[in-house]
Order: sequence, then C-alpha cells, then structure tokens
Amino acid sequence: EPEVTQTPSHQVTQMGQEVILRCVPISNHLYFYWYRQILGQKVEFLVSFYNNEISEKSEIFDDQFSVERPDGSNFTLKIRSTKLEDSAMYFCASSVASGTVEQYFGPGTRLTVT
Amino acid sequence: GIQVEQSPPDLILQEGANSTLRCNFSDSVNNLQWFHQNPWGQLINLFYIPSGTKQNGRLSATTVATERYSLLYISSSQTTDSGVYFCAVSMAGTALIFGKGTTLSVSS
Repeated sequence: EPEVTQTPSHQVTQMGQEVILRCVPISNHLYFYWYRQILGQKVEFLVSFYNNEISEKSEIFDDQFSVERPDGSNFTLKIRSTKLEDSAMYFCASSVASGTVEQYFGPGTRLTVT
Repeated sequence: GIQVEQSPPDLILQEGANSTLRCNFSDSVNNLQWFHQNPWGQLINLFYIPSGTKQNGRLSATTVATERYSLLYISSSQTTDSGVYFCAVSMAGTALIFGKGTTLSVSS
C-alpha cells in the first residue's frame, strides 16, 4: 500500500540554524500539507500546497517557514532560523484532491532545537 | 473557526473492556478522520468517515453529520490500543482541525 514517507525521523539542531524537513507524498496525490505537534499538545495545521503554490496557511506559518516541491517526488519544509519553540513533531500529509477526501499522514520528523 | 471537542480527555481500561470515544464539532464538515497516535508519535489513520458507519476489526466509527458528532468504538481492548486518539475535521478548505485527543490506557 502506498504511503507518505518522511526523512529524517529525528533531527537535532542548534538555535538559529536552518533545517529542511523532507517528505515524499503518495505518487498520484496532488495536495500536500505540513502539520506540527508540540509535545503534549494537539496537532496544528501549518500549510497546504497545490500546483506549486501555497493554497492555505495558518498564522503559525510565518516568514521563517517556506515550502517547496523541488522535483516530482519531494516536498520540503524549511525553517530558516530555528527557535527553541520550533521543537515539535512535524507531519507531512498528502491527498488526491482537496475537500471531501482523506489525508494520508507520514510518520513524522521529530525536531529538537537546542 | 470550527471547534473540535473530544471526550473523555483520559480513559483507563482493563484489557477486554469496551469503550466509546466522542468527537463533537461546531459546524458542518466535509471531512472527518480518526487517528491513533502510538507511543512513537506516529499518527495512524483509523477511519475516514465524514458520515455513516464503518468497521475495521475491533474498531468501528459512526458520524452523524447533521448532529455534529462522531463516535469511535473500541471493543475487547488490548494493551496495544493504548495511546492518544485524535479526531480531525475540515470544512470547505483543506486544513484539518484536530481535537485535543483522548488518552487511552489499557492495562493487562
């Protein structure tokens, strides 16, 4: 069964460093998403991406974040200058369309900022 | 924005017991999903159920969209069912809005 994959599974970085989290969505899916979950809290939406453009973003997704689909398979989330409060689990998801369709989640990347 | 409330927040069961988890939402939705977050933090898709009833083994779910709630039933619980169960919904847009979850602990 096709699945969303994410790398790395765990990343440790120092405050102020740039990090890139990588995702490979399911191959025939057209919509891609990033969510984050701070330890002990609920999962929060960051951004959705379609046709090489951001289609929706939350207030969390400020100028330090960016997303890109650099090739036909990868979807990345870049955090420009990490802060301690960026420590969280980051989930990538994809869906075949928007609206009344299921979103498939990857296993997550645990980001620890020291 | 839409509000998602899950109850109970915590649930402790003995192995073999049955349970019902509830998700209430404040507005009409076109997508509702149930997830299980395992001890490693992974979100496991349980059900995509914007309306109706589905069953998968010991788990089943029912969504009554007109009354704005969904129920997740776990029968004959096992220790491996422990973890956090999240309900998530979306309206016309793409963003899934998650509830705070129900933490289930099943002891042997």
